[in-house]
Amino acid sequence: ETGVTQTPRHLVMGMTNKKSLKCEQHLGHNAMYWYKQSAKKPLELMFVYSLEERVENNSVPSRFSPECPNSSHLFLHLHTLQPEDSALYLCASSQEASGGARDTQYFGPGTRLTVL
Amino acid sequence: SQKIEQNSEALNIQEGKTATLTCNYTNYSPAYLQWYRQDPGRGPVFLLLIRENEKEKRKERLKVTFDTTLKQSLFHITASQPADSATYLCALFSGGYQKVTFGTGTKLQVIP
Repeated sequence: ETGVTQTPRHLVMGMTNKKSLKCEQHLGHNAMYWYKQSAKKPLELMFVYSLEERVENNSVPSRFSPECPNSSHLFLHLHTLQPEDSALYLCASSQEASGGARDTQYFGPGTRLTVL
Repeated sequence: SQKIEQNSEALNIQEGKTATLTCNYTNYSPAYLQWYRQDPGRGPVFLLLIRENEKEKRKERLKVTFDTTLKQSLFHITASQPADSATYLCALFSGGYQKVTFGTGTKLQVIP
């Protein structure tokens, strides 16, 4: 195990539902990330938090709303999603988010999301 | 525009042989490059990091090279085993968290 946990592992939701993904890291890291992974596409960086402050938002639709209450926990709140949002959502953490080698990403197992 | 290409979607290799995976990039000046392994239904796992001023890095049966002139990294697994079967991703870090970019990956299958 990498020290990063995600729940739930699988989620099926309708387009009108509201749900949340949870991530917890037990590594004492200062930065946390949300990625989206779709079939045959590279990992897409969605959000970056450094010391609980959002430092990057890569033009992600507002139907995805992140929350980082402390340096160990990260949430992704979902509402009125579209079928094309179906993907594997990965959480990661790193010691820092400064562009250096301490940015090595430690990933959780992911949440497989299906939007009907 | 910036682009990362991993040589092929899939690579089949006989057990015991050396697997070589390629990562090419354009319009980047990466500070360093990383390789990750991803198994089905799991998140990527960090394997190796190589800096722009390093030519080669080794870890057990793994070897990574980094040629900033060719804009290419090669990832080698020697004496490959069926347990090495997975998707391997390269990732470039060119300064700042927003500059982390992953390739699409190469799916390696080691045949017994």
